[in-house]
Amino acid sequence: DVKVTQSSRYLVKRTGEKVFLECVQDMDHENMFWYRQDPGLGLRLIYFSYDVKMKEKGDIPEGYSVSREKKERFSLILESASTNQTSMYLCASRHRGNTIYFGEGSWLTVV
Amino acid sequence: GIQVEQSPPDLILQEGANSTLRCNFSDSVNNLQWFHQNPWGQLINLFYIPSGTKQNGRLSATTVATERYSLLYISSSQTTDSGVYFCAVERSANDYKLSFGAGTTVTVRA
Repeated sequence: DVKVTQSSRYLVKRTGEKVFLECVQDMDHENMFWYRQDPGLGLRLIYFSYDVKMKEKGDIPEGYSVSREKKERFSLILESASTNQTSMYLCASRHRGNTIYFGEGSWLTVV
Repeated sequence: GIQVEQSPPDLILQEGANSTLRCNFSDSVNNLQWFHQNPWGQLINLFYIPSGTKQNGRLSATTVATERYSLLYISSSQTTDSGVYFCAVERSANDYKLSFGAGTTVTVRA
């Protein structure tokens, strides 16, 4: 079975902190994604990476950056966390054009 | 971008009932998937179905790509079917991005 693992399930951070959300997949997938999910707004794409060291902005990249130094790992970085970044963050991966698999999600609260 | 509309937004079922969820999309697609999000937030793949019909146990799905819609059927619903069902589409193989509908929240009562 495909395994997409997100490093933290629940986090509480202070405004202005730098936050790292880590995601690891074990299926040698080329594509990796970060989404956020908010009530009433559904899933929105923050960034994606189509291969190692490659990254593309999604629909809502402001306030975020990403890093993909190794194929299996895709990190989401909040440079200076703000309260409007309180959300659930979902990492996903896939082979190009095929089924996408999601991690369990990371619930981030910024206070 | 491509628009994805799901209906109904909410559905309440008695255990054992059947139901149909619909996903309409605004452009031709290369990829369409259905997901179930459980109460703990985990998104589970149900179907990868850019066209045609597939079945998996009590669930089945049909996509009519030429008419830009997909249907998810739940038969003999159980309380474990509760959660949010999402449809997601990708315009082309070069698009990389999946666009999600807003979801249908299903509640199955015992």
